[in-house]
Amino acid sequence: DAGVTQSPTHLIKTRGQQVTLRCSPKSGHDTVSWYQQALGQGPQFIFQYYEEEERQRGNFPDRFSGHQFPNYSSELNVNALLLGDSALYLCASSPRTSGRAGELFFGEGSRLTVL
Amino acid sequence: QQQVKQSPQSLIVQKGGISIINCAYENTAFDYFPWYQQFPGKGPALLIAIRPDVSEKKEGRFTISFNKSAKQFSLHIMDSQPGDSATYFCAATIFYGGATNKLIFGTGTLLAVQP
Repeated sequence: DAGVTQSPTHLIKTRGQQVTLRCSPKSGHDTVSWYQQALGQGPQFIFQYYEEEERQRGNFPDRFSGHQFPNYSSELNVNALLLGDSALYLCASSPRTSGRAGELFFGEGSRLTVL
Repeated sequence: QQQVKQSPQSLIVQKGGISIINCAYENTAFDYFPWYQQFPGKGPALLIAIRPDVSEKKEGRFTISFNKSAKQFSLHIMDSQPGDSATYFCAATIFYGGATNKLIFGTGTLLAVQP
């Protein structure tokens, strides 16, 4: 059973560019959340998707947008990249109804470097 | 009020010793407190979690102690092993009856267990 898979694993962009990160949730999961983890910090919630709609959003600007597809996979898009967007972007999945709230299954992340 | 404060930032423990990591929160609406373990190059993985209606939960060598009145909770790792060396994050969320909600993470504790 594959867990949460993310791509690409590493990428380098320059300021002002746009980036798209992809995530496939764990089998049986229909909810996808995205987190940003700066070096030496805890993950910060960006947003959550289920039923192909954004359901919750953290304190991130509109430059951060997302999408969820009918097969539950998801994309995170970041426009007009800033140096401060350099971070590990984590995708986490969970079933819509979970007997263990907060049990998110994380992927290994996409490491974004903005130069 | 959405913050979760975690200490210490780093911790060195001898093999067989007890590792203790502390967290504090302000938002009394939080009602679910998980701990995540993260190894280098990996995403966080759920270790153990507690609801505020109990003061302690134990799973193997890992124990959460919860003090609702003080709004504090801690992770104890008994008989610490070199394989426990990782970064540990406490987190908090509001449990909406089965729906996975966003997690508020602490800043992390880097644990090194010396052989």
